[in-house]
Amino acid sequence: QKEVEQDPGPLSVPEGAIVSLNCTYSNSAFQYFMWYRQYSRKGPELLMYTYSSGNKEDGRFTAQVDKSSKYISLFIRDSQPSDSATYLCAMNTGGGADGLTFGKGTHLIIQP
Amino acid sequence: DAGVTQSPTHLIKTRGQQVTLRCSPISGHKSVSWYQQVLGQGPQFIFQYYEKEERGRGNFPDRFSARQFPNYSSELNVNALLLGDSALYLCASSLLTSSGANVLTFGAGSRLTVL
Repeated sequence: QKEVEQDPGPLSVPEGAIVSLNCTYSNSAFQYFMWYRQYSRKGPELLMYTYSSGNKEDGRFTAQVDKSSKYISLFIRDSQPSDSATYLCAMNTGGGADGLTFGKGTHLIIQP
Repeated sequence: DAGVTQSPTHLIKTRGQQVTLRCSPISGHKSVSWYQQVLGQGPQFIFQYYEKEERGRGNFPDRFSARQFPNYSSELNVNALLLGDSALYLCASSLLTSSGANVLTFGAGSRLTVL
């Protein structure tokens, strides 16, 4: 079992729809949870960062963490064609030089 | 402000050769990390450096090495290249080095093809 599981998709939705992206993980020591967006041939770009359980909202984006279920989500409201990209979840324990553990990424397509 | 810059952007090598990739962090960031992203996969942690010292290492063979310079720039070296080393190599810089999220800002990457 991989430490972080993420459905690679592709996930195709019409413009304006609410998008739900998810990851599950197995390491209960993870405390910090991030979502990155990666466009083709570019480096990942940080969207959201959450500590421990709870919700965080930033514009059209909402991140949720449920540590009891080891499940994290990213919701995108009023999705736009420019949101079409690969979305990567990432997490770490916060232990100093602890590298990030990434999911495989979900390829999202927003149809105009 | 310049972001994380990496060079070269693309390169092609043959099996058995050696490669050096370079990274300049965001001004003020003292920590640099390296990740390998194989096509269709998420990035995998290779190294983290802070103040010229290795602070973390992922599960990669000794063929992979890195160093950080006094100006906080960094180099990643890979020796005895294998076909499986073909990937996008990402450099990231950050402010946090002690306990914390270690939120990373990534560069655009160096795409290595091994033939």
